[in-house]
Amino acid sequence: QKEVEQDPGPLSVPEGAIVSLNCTYSNSAFQYFMWYRQYSRKGPELLMYTYSSGNKEDGRFTAQVDKSSKYISLFIRDSQPSDSATYLCAMGYSGGSNYKLTFGKGTLLTVNP
Amino acid sequence: DTAVSQTPKYLVTQMGNDKSIKCEQNLGHDTMYWYKQDSKKFLKIMFSYNNKELIINETVPNRFSPKSPDKAHLNLHINSLELGDSAVYFCASSPLSGSGSTDTQYFGPGTRLTVL
Repeated sequence: QKEVEQDPGPLSVPEGAIVSLNCTYSNSAFQYFMWYRQYSRKGPELLMYTYSSGNKEDGRFTAQVDKSSKYISLFIRDSQPSDSATYLCAMGYSGGSNYKLTFGKGTLLTVNP
Repeated sequence: DTAVSQTPKYLVTQMGNDKSIKCEQNLGHDTMYWYKQDSKKFLKIMFSYNNKELIINETVPNRFSPKSPDKAHLNLHINSLELGDSAVYFCASSPLSGSGSTDTQYFGPGTRLTVL
């Protein structure tokens, strides 16, 4: 079983739809969770960062973490064509000398006007 | 005001050649990384340096050699390039300064390497 699993999609939705992106993980040591957005031919950019179970909201974006189920989600409300990108979940843990993040494979999202 | 910059942006070369990619960050971060992203968009860490010291070295062929002259720079040299090395290589940096810190990483724009 891979450490981080993410459905690669592609996911195509109409403008204004609510989008749900998900990742599952197997390593219970993961302490913090991130969502990155990557536009075509660009580097990933940090979108959301969460440390604990629960919800975190930022504008149209909500990140949700359920550590008991080892499941994280990103919700996008009122999706816009400018949200069309690949969304990568990433997770890691601090302490010791292992500072690496483990990424999901990314979900390609297209929002159609 | 580019935070993490990479050169070159595109690199096309023949099999067997040796090439280097450079990365610089002006964020004052302690840790820098190299990632490889394949054609399926899977982003995989290759190396990590903290204050010029190698701390992560994933299973990468020894044709790949990172070098960090100072904590703001991390270069990647690749010897004897192979077709399978074609990918986008991303540099990243994070403010990590020790245990207990978070690992928010900031990525450069990528170097698209094509080996013919």
